[in-house]
Amino acid sequence: GQNIDQPTEMTATEGAIVQINCTYQTSGFNGLFWYQQHAGEAPTFLSYNVLDGLEEKGRFSSFLSRSKGYSYLLLKELQMKDSASYLCAVWDSNYQLIWGAGTKLIIKP
Amino acid sequence: DTGVSQDPRHKITKRGQNVTFRCDPISEHNRLYWYRQTLGQGPEFLTYFQNEAQLEKSRLLSDRFSAERPKGSFSTLEIQRTEQGDSAMYLCASSPGDRDTDTQYFGPGTRLTVL
Repeated sequence: GQNIDQPTEMTATEGAIVQINCTYQTSGFNGLFWYQQHAGEAPTFLSYNVLDGLEEKGRFSSFLSRSKGYSYLLLKELQMKDSASYLCAVWDSNYQLIWGAGTKLIIKP
Repeated sequence: DTGVSQDPRHKITKRGQNVTFRCDPISEHNRLYWYRQTLGQGPEFLTYFQNEAQLEKSRLLSDRFSAERPKGSFSTLEIQRTEQGDSAMYLCASSPGDRDTDTQYFGPGTRLTVL
C-alpha cells in the first residue's frame, strides 16, 4: 500500500529552528509537496521537490532524498504565526497526490 | 482572479437530505480536484476533472456522491441521502494541468455538518 509518515505533533520556541520529517512509500514518485494549513483553513502551498537536495525559500527550506524515501521541511526564525499543521504529499506514478496526516506545530513564546 | 472559491462555506443539514457544493477554480486552470478532510487527517482524494472530463474517482466514494464540471469551469459536488459520517471539510483545488510542476491551489473549503 501507499504510506506517508509524519510526526503527529511538534513543539518549538519562537525564534528557533524546527525540522519536520516525512517518509514515504508510494507506487512511483513524481515529486513531493509541502503545504501549510492553519486551523479551520485550507492548505496553502509551501514547496515542491522532485530532485534530490535542498530547496530554500526564505525562512522555509525543503529537502528530498529519493533513494531514502525521505523529506524534511526546515523552518527558521520561528514566528508565532507559524503555528499550523504541515502536510507532506507525494505525487505517485499516476500523478495522484497521496497525503500524510500532517504535523501539528506548536510555537511557544 | 483571486484564487479558488467555494460556496457555501458552512452547511448544516439533517441526515437523509441532499446537499450540493460549488467550486470556482482559478480561471486558467484545467484541472479541478475534490477532497474531503476530517480533523487531524490529511485531505482524502474524491475525484478530479481535466477540463469537463471526470478522469478519476476514488474507489472509496459511494454512489451517493456525484460531481460535475459541465463547461470545464466551475464544478459541483452533490451528496445524496447524507449520513452523519459525511460530516467533514470538503476542499476543492485547481491546478494548471502542467505535469512538470502541477501545483494544486486550494479553496477555503465547505464545512458540512450532518445532524
